[in-house]
Formats: sequence, structure tokens, C-alpha cells
Amino acid sequence: SYELTQAPSVSVSPGQTARITCSGDALPKKYAYWYQQKSGQAPVLVIYEDSKRPSGIPERFSGSSSGTMATLTISGAQVEDEADYYCYSTDNSGNHRVFGGGTKLTVL
Amino acid sequence: EVQLVESGGGLVQPGGSLRLSCAASGFTFSYYDMHWVRQATGKGLEWVSAIGTAGGTNYPGSVKGRFTISRENAKNSLFLQMNSLRVGDTAVYYCARGLSGGSSAFDYWGQGTLVTVSS
Repeated sequence: SYELTQAPSVSVSPGQTARITCSGDALPKKYAYWYQQKSGQAPVLVIYEDSKRPSGIPERFSGSSSGTMATLTISGAQVEDEADYYCYSTDNSGNHRVFGGGTKLTVL
Repeated sequence: EVQLVESGGGLVQPGGSLRLSCAASGFTFSYYDMHWVRQATGKGLEWVSAIGTAGGTNYPGSVKGRFTISRENAKNSLFLQMNSLRVGDTAVYYCARGLSGGSSAFDYWGQGTLVTVSS
């Protein structure tokens, strides 16, 4: 079965840049999506199609993808950005939809 | 404003059945693919099922043959019939709207409904 791999945790100080990565064999051909989930809340889409930002998402959130790795970058991370972040994509057939295991971002 | 409100969760014994519902508002329901995604306590997200605008469905191997997704466009409603439930199906179940343009991903999510499978 297809898998997306994320580091379990990332920690930065307020104002620093946080980079969260996601690796998967199909990412060269398939878009990556990123979801933010704060404690006790439903996930929120923060990046779609590798690098597009939905309306209402702060400009400090950006995404990129190169080869088998997609990256979510939070430039000038804020305390309120503390959350679990999940990448999402599909395998090359498009039939297997998977989330990465999630990365817990700590900002302190 | 897009709203998705799940209901129907609860406690069920292993081997039992449960039907979840999702009431949608704030958008033209029939125009969008819809999904169910679940999350066990303290664990990650797992896609559970999808239904397209024409009614085509898709499932991962973990629930295929046990779960059935359906929709009733006239009532802006999405459903998930869950049979032969297992302890491992215990999770919060989220209803999610598919991104427009044929994307496999989701934009808006409901707040979820908790399903507990236990004897």
C-alpha cells in the first residue's frame, strides 16, 4: 500500500521558519495537500495542489514540491500555528488516498 | 457559509451496525464529491470513503465490503452505513467536501461524530 512519510515533530521559536516535509514515491506526479489540525478541532486545508493557498490562510504559509518530497513552510511561525500538520496525496493510480502520519509543530 | 454537520455516532458492539449522516448547507451539494475521513483518538487521519457527483464510490481496503457511502442530493445529505464493525473502527468520523475541479482532496470538514465499538 502507498505511504506518505512525515517526521513526528518539529519545534521552532516564535518568528522562526518552520519546514515540515512529506515524502512519497508518487509525489513527482501527484499533488500534495496540507491540513492543519489544532487540538480538539477539525482539520483545515492550508495548502492545495502543492503550493496554492486557500483564501483566509495567512501568507506565511507556503508549499512546494520537488521530486518525491513536498514541503510546507511557515515563515515567521506564530504561537497560534502550534498544531498537527498532515500531508495528503494519492498513489499514481489515484485510487489510494492517503495521509501522512502527521507532524506536531511546537512553537515556543 | 459552508456547513457540514455529522450525526449518528454512538456506542455499538463489535459486529454491529451504525449509520452516520452528514447535513450539508451553504453550497450546491450535488456539484461536489463527498468523503468520509476518520481519526482514532490520538492517531492520524484515515480516508474512509468517497462518492462522486454521479454516484460512483471508492473505499480503502480496510473498510471495503463493510462500509457503504451514499448521498441524497434532494436533501443535501451524505450517509455512511457501517456494518460488521470492529474495535479498530473506533474513531471520530468526519464528513468532508471534495475540492472542485476533480481533485481527490477535501476543503471543508464537519466537526465529526464519535463512533465507539466496544463490548
